[in-house]
Amino acid sequence: LAKTTQPISMDSYEGQEVNITCSHNNIATNDYITWYQQFPSQGPRFIIQGYKTKVTNEVASLFIPADRKSSTLSLPRVSLSDTAVYYCLVGEYGGSQGNLIFGKGTKLSVKP
Amino acid sequence: GAVVSQHPSWVICKSGTSVKIECRSLDFQATTMFWYRQFPKQSLMLMATSNEGSKATYEQGVEKDKFLINHASLTLSTLTVTSAHPEDSSFYICSARRALNTEAFFGQGTRLTVV
Repeated sequence: LAKTTQPISMDSYEGQEVNITCSHNNIATNDYITWYQQFPSQGPRFIIQGYKTKVTNEVASLFIPADRKSSTLSLPRVSLSDTAVYYCLVGEYGGSQGNLIFGKGTKLSVKP
Repeated sequence: GAVVSQHPSWVICKSGTSVKIECRSLDFQATTMFWYRQFPKQSLMLMATSNEGSKATYEQGVEKDKFLINHASLTLSTLTVTSAHPEDSSFYICSARRALNTEAFFGQGTRLTVV
């Protein structure tokens, strides 16, 4: 399973765009990139998933360069409620067991 | 998205007793369920993977005789912490996926406190 590296923490202000980058240098051909959000004392919540180029949904965008060795989660116009830990996961979408291995995550703090 | 529910949300038990945590997929059939443990200010640690009708696969360092996992149906998996001790106090989270090539959905977690 590809190892991921993210910044431990980030600070932002309400209304700003936040970009969190994840490095995954040994990503495999069959690996997808998935981001989850976790609030304290809650289970993780799926945000977005992609394989290459750009993916956008109603809450975020995911940018993946051609070499796929990194990815950037973009949160437009964050609010206080976006304060959470964000995890980048890399692995086969299903795989033989589809194990989801979590790294340390990025703690995002949004200030007023 | 699909709903995964855990029960109970929190539990306090005495040292030496056993506690059972349920994980249910409410609106889909889950061929695979995962169990995680999360200590304060740390990331989720995968404990085991269970496929319906077969024995769970435990991660290295996780005692299978202490953390009993049963995945008896496509909508229910249970984790039993046997002979619980204070060091087992943690946040336990389950996850479920319909099939290969589908995303995983997480339960809300269960806070276990052993006193």
